Amino acid sequence: SAVISQKPSRDICQRGTSLTIQCQVDSQVTMMFWYRQQPGQSLTLIATANQGSEATYESGFVIDKFPISRPNLTFSTLTVSNMSPEDSSIYLCSVGWSSGMYEQFFGPGTRLTVL
Amino acid sequence: AQSVAQPEDQVNVAEGNPLTVKCTYSVSGNPYLFWYVQYPNRGLQFLLKYITGDNLVKGSYGFEAEFNKSQTSFHLKKPSALVSDSALYFCAVRAPTGGAGSYQLTFGKGTKLSVIP
Repeated sequence: SAVISQKPSRDICQRGTSLTIQCQVDSQVTMMFWYRQQPGQSLTLIATANQGSEATYESGFVIDKFPISRPNLTFSTLTVSNMSPEDSSIYLCSVGWSSGMYEQFFGPGTRLTVL
Repeated sequence: AQSVAQPEDQVNVAEGNPLTVKCTYSVSGNPYLFWYVQYPNRGLQFLLKYITGDNLVKGSYGFEAEFNKSQTSFHLKKPSALVSDSALYFCAVRAPTGGAGSYQLTFGKGTKLSVIP
């Protein structure tokens, strides 16, 4: 398993601004994922962040809106750009491995409210 | 494309009674199946998984799940519910097809479990 922390845990932001969310893992991991959980909804994968290559975005999500960095095997950031109230969600980081472990482990999430 | 259905938005059960949270899936090939639990204002916690082998898998906190290939189901069960089990439960599927996309988890919409004292 892995211990995952996210910063900030929550934030309230103004429309039009950007917020960068950090995800830190206590061990090296192959893959890191970013999910969005809108109020009362399930989890939707935003992108897969792999170290040494560009993030892979799912349908409906674009790099200009959700730029992602993965500078090493223990850290990633997700930026929510030019925010609108529709971006109010919980953003979760998760980690996985390309072999051995099949499950993903999740961070505690970042609760974002956009006014 | 893979998908997961959790037909019940909410399940209510009396403390001490057995509980079942239902999940069915659709995926090409043999699935990898998972259950996660989310407590209020918390992230997701991994409960258990089915990869291969015995259809009955045991996980954390006394939970177990039964894989049924013919019914494409993976229902979560516990013999005796506790009030502290009250939470949101998510079923997820992953297709073992290889390549970057196969690591993606697809989640059901979640089932809220309420255990009544």
